[in-house]
Amino acid sequence: AQTVTQSQPEMSVQEAETVTLSCTYDTSESDYYLFWYKQPPSRQMILVIRQEAYKQQNATENRFSVNFQKAAKSFSLKISDSQLGDAAMYFCAYRSTGAGNQFYFGTGTSLTVIP
Amino acid sequence: DTEVTQTPKHLVMGMTNKKSLKCEQHMGHRAMYWYKQKAKKPPELMFVYSYEKLSINESVPSRFSPECPNSSLLNLHLHALQPEDSALYLCASSQSIAGGPPGNEQFFGPGTRLTVL
Repeated sequence: AQTVTQSQPEMSVQEAETVTLSCTYDTSESDYYLFWYKQPPSRQMILVIRQEAYKQQNATENRFSVNFQKAAKSFSLKISDSQLGDAAMYFCAYRSTGAGNQFYFGTGTSLTVIP
Repeated sequence: DTEVTQTPKHLVMGMTNKKSLKCEQHMGHRAMYWYKQKAKKPPELMFVYSYEKLSINESVPSRFSPECPNSSLLNLHLHALQPEDSALYLCASSQSIAGGPPGNEQFFGPGTRLTVL
């Protein structure tokens, strides 16, 4: 099974500043999908951003962008101009393109935004 | 409609009760999931249904019994639970890898907060 590692259990950032959350994964596959999910205190898990491994260009969604380093098996999330509403648990997830429909989640990073 | 709905939102049950959790999606997704989640932890996979057939059972105790009556509905039947089963139970759906262009994310429901007394 693939493993996903988030080495930062907790992070904090000043409002309007930039923060980067780390994620590494272990796989022998060449094609796969990576995701960052956000789970605010209300507990609804929502997608922040996705990256297809075959795409070299890093994905961006407004203030959220990723740094995808395929060779290093690294997939970090950068949040620019942090807002109070960004405070949440952030989970990195991996999905294979092979058989099966399983998603593999990292242990999560709890992000605090300081006013 | 990009929504996964779950009922009930909250459930309190005794160890001898039988109850069911329900999940529904109308996105045409053919993969549906049950997860158990404790506070500040990642979701733990319990079951995966692909095309209404159970494809993954992560060694879940038999007091949890899943059911997929059709492509839009997913149930989780609960019986004789233990206090340590108290958690947030999340349902999710996604396109199936087998069904066409892969790579779509999972859509999660808001969860059912379960307390076992």
